[in-house]
Amino acid sequence: NAGVTQTPKFRVLKTGQSMTLLCAQDMNHEYMYWYRQDPGMGLRLIHYSVGEGTTAKGEVPDGYNVSRLKKQNFLLGLESAAPSQTSVYFCASSSRDRGLAEAFFGQGTRLTVV
Amino acid sequence: GDSVTQMEGPVTLSEEAFLTINCTYTATGYPSLFWYVQYPGEGLQLLLKATKADDKGSNKGFEATYRKETTSFHLEKGSVQVSDSAVYFCALREYGNKLVFGAGTILRVKS
Repeated sequence: NAGVTQTPKFRVLKTGQSMTLLCAQDMNHEYMYWYRQDPGMGLRLIHYSVGEGTTAKGEVPDGYNVSRLKKQNFLLGLESAAPSQTSVYFCASSSRDRGLAEAFFGQGTRLTVV
Repeated sequence: GDSVTQMEGPVTLSEEAFLTINCTYTATGYPSLFWYVQYPGEGLQLLLKATKADDKGSNKGFEATYRKETTSFHLEKGSVQVSDSAVYFCALREYGNKLVFGAGTILRVKS
């Protein structure tokens, strides 16, 4: 039972490079989320998706793009990385059923932009 | 928009001390409320939850009660252990399904 899997776990990028973070969940959840975690700022929502083919902006979407082509996958892209995007990125998923409201998190991706 | 406010940390306690971490929320509807815990170097894990007013969530000796009248969901534990040292996040999920987290509270327990 894998739950939510993020790849890669660590990455170092040079300023201006691009990359894609992959999130995969095997729980058939409708909702998926990307957060970034920075010291003293908690978790901030970047983008989220309420279903296959749909995405929406969160609190801090600038510099990121996302896609949800398949229900089980949610991709986060950085087109031109900046040092301000150095952070730990977490993906999460949850069910549409309000009685199963909890979110399940991946282990995180530590990204450093130099 | 919806928001969650947690007490600032770090909170430093001796082993077996009583713990309270305050959490209040602002939401337009009737959100589900959660406490998540993050141990060093790990992702977030659900600690407990409550989905409606007056519900009490409990797990591993931790408790929190959904208080609609005070819009609060304070986390308590009667006797903390060194192994409880972690970052604790209060969160809500509104019916619109966006998850909103507080800034997190660092708990340090000394033996």
